[in-house]
Amino acid sequence: QKEVEQDPGPLSVPEGAIVSLNCTYSNSAFQYFMWYRQYSRKGPELLMYTYSSGNKEDGRFTAQVDKSSKYISLFIRDSQPSDSATYLCAINAGNNRKLIWGLGTSLAVNP
Amino acid sequence: DAGVIQSPRHEVTEMGQEVTLRCKPISGHDYLFWYRQTMMRGLELLIYFNNNVPIDDSGMPEDRFSAKMPNASFSTLKIQPSEPRDSAVYFCASTRALNTEAFFGQGTRLTVV
Repeated sequence: QKEVEQDPGPLSVPEGAIVSLNCTYSNSAFQYFMWYRQYSRKGPELLMYTYSSGNKEDGRFTAQVDKSSKYISLFIRDSQPSDSATYLCAINAGNNRKLIWGLGTSLAVNP
Repeated sequence: DAGVIQSPRHEVTEMGQEVTLRCKPISGHDYLFWYRQTMMRGLELLIYFNNNVPIDDSGMPEDRFSAKMPNASFSTLKIQPSEPRDSAVYFCASTRALNTEAFFGQGTRLTVV
């Protein structure tokens, strides 16, 4: 079993839809949870960063962590064509451990 | 700061040739990472440095790959000899610490024919 699992998609939704992107992980020691967005032919950029269980909201984006289920989610409300990108989850156990990356989910938001 | 700078942006080379990829991290960042990204395997960490010292090179695929960081502002990833299966996008990233935001360069798209 991989340490971090992420469905690569692709996911295609109409403009204005609510998008749900998910990752599962296997190590209960993981405590730092990040979502990166990667546009085509660009490097990944940090979108959301959470440390504990619960929700964190930033504009149209909400990151959710459920440590009991080892499950993290990224919700995008009122999705826009400019949200079309690959979304990667990245998880870290702290204590100077390196990031573990999901494969990324490709999202297309159609006008 | 201009961000993480990688060169070249694109590289096409013949099998067996030596390839050198270059990276300039963000000033003040103590960590530098080299990643390889493919459709099948996603983003793979090859090696990372802390204060110019290689810390973990367990992701380097084989002896054909080597990386150096002679100073805080420059790193290279070398493949010698290159093979078609090395074709991928190679990213360099830098961070202040292991659990802080990673800033990525634009990547080098390598094609080995």
